[in-house]
Amino acid sequence: EVQLVESGGGLVKPGGSLRLSCAASGFSFSTYSMNWVRQAPGKGLEWVSSISPSSNYIYYADSVKGRFTISRDNTKNSLFLQMNSLRAEDTAVYYCARCVREACVAAGSGVAVWGQGTTVTVSS
Amino acid sequence: DIQLTQSPSFLSASVGDRVTITCRASQDISSYLAWYQQKPGKAPNLLIYVASTLQSGVPSRFSGSGSGTEFTLTISSLQPEDFATYYCHQLNSYPQSFGGGTKVEIK
Repeated sequence: EVQLVESGGGLVKPGGSLRLSCAASGFSFSTYSMNWVRQAPGKGLEWVSSISPSSNYIYYADSVKGRFTISRDNTKNSLFLQMNSLRAEDTAVYYCARCVREACVAAGSGVAVWGQGTTVTVSS
Repeated sequence: DIQLTQSPSFLSASVGDRVTITCRASQDISSYLAWYQQKPGKAPNLLIYVASTLQSGVPSRFSGSGSGTEFTLTISSLQPEDFATYYCHQLNSYPQSFGGGTKVEIK
């Protein structure tokens, strides 16, 4: 079974840091681009970041650029999101996500696999 | 950056109704558009990708059309389990972006 399981969420003070992890199973993780998507309470979906299979290409939303770092460990089938300088507006459920095809953008794809989400709350 | 505008943002409909949701892109995104359904407390579920390709396991009452800047998601006969929020998503270029969502509620 194809599965993504996030962990690492929690309550953190403004300016603090948190590292999210996503454990992948049931597919060839090293051949797929991976993504983080978040959803603030009562709000819509927001794309956060993407990383190519070999980590050669990395993209960020402007709202997190310079504060968040996406990475992956293909030997451990794991995706990560290091979040620094956290703000109240970063409060959200964070989803790990994989597209239908190995590439997401300009590849005739869509996000077919989602984790259950991990909740990040930034509050003093 | 590409903005996606969904309309309506809220829709009240009855079981058996035909429902159409529109997504407009601020620039040409070819056919690189996907549609999702999301229920409260759950992750989104992919319905349609490449504008009109039905994801495996999704009922055939869901269909998508369009290209360029205008796209539609149609539910041919609304079922009780279809009451949810729907999002469009452009995968033409980075940064990826989502529409604001359309909440479909029971009339």
